[in-house]
Amino acid sequence: ILNVEQSPQSLHVQEGDSTNFTCSFPSSNFYALHWYRWETAKSPEALFVMTLNGDEKKKGRISATLNTKEGYSYLYIKGSQPEDSATYLCAFRGAGSYQLTFGKGTKLSVIP
Amino acid sequence: GAVVSQHPSRVICKSGTSVKIECRSLDFQATTMFWYRQFPKQSLMLMATSNEGSKATYEQGVEKDKFLINHASLTLSTLTVTSAHPEDSSFYICSAQNRIPNQPQHFGDGTRLSIL
Repeated sequence: ILNVEQSPQSLHVQEGDSTNFTCSFPSSNFYALHWYRWETAKSPEALFVMTLNGDEKKKGRISATLNTKEGYSYLYIKGSQPEDSATYLCAFRGAGSYQLTFGKGTKLSVIP
Repeated sequence: GAVVSQHPSRVICKSGTSVKIECRSLDFQATTMFWYRQFPKQSLMLMATSNEGSKATYEQGVEKDKFLINHASLTLSTLTVTSAHPEDSSFYICSAQNRIPNQPQHFGDGTRLSIL
């Protein structure tokens, strides 16, 4: 059973604050690490697919880093806005498989 | 692009009823579709993987006779929960993927199933 852990489980930040959260995953047999944003009553939206150790990807105010040797990825949000409120999911994909193993997510609430 | 439509979004029915959930990729060819289930405060758990034109691969502990999956075309997969019971009440969500390497899965909106 693959272990994908996300922390914190939830957090509240003030509008304008920057924040970050963590995804830890197995450091062996790595193929890719996915990040999704899941707003209430909508479908999960793909943010990043990360494959290379040391990768850093950016989409607007959101960025992510990847360390495959130690098995973690950070997601950063700069200058949080209320519309960033959502659950952020990471998912591990192992080599030789199309399947994703998801973490439980980090629920972000941005207070106006 | 990459839109996945899932229908219905909510089902409430009596115990013993069979329920069919549809998952369609609207603007791309989904060579692989995935069905997940999520219980409260838990992560998305993969139930099965289906490839167009072949039998689905079920995860350990998922009864294939209970959860029938059909992936007859590159744009449609269906999940039928047969003779549903209250313990089958959950949130079911599908995703679809094409053959292009390193692409994300594209998700439907999910189906909230409540069995009375």
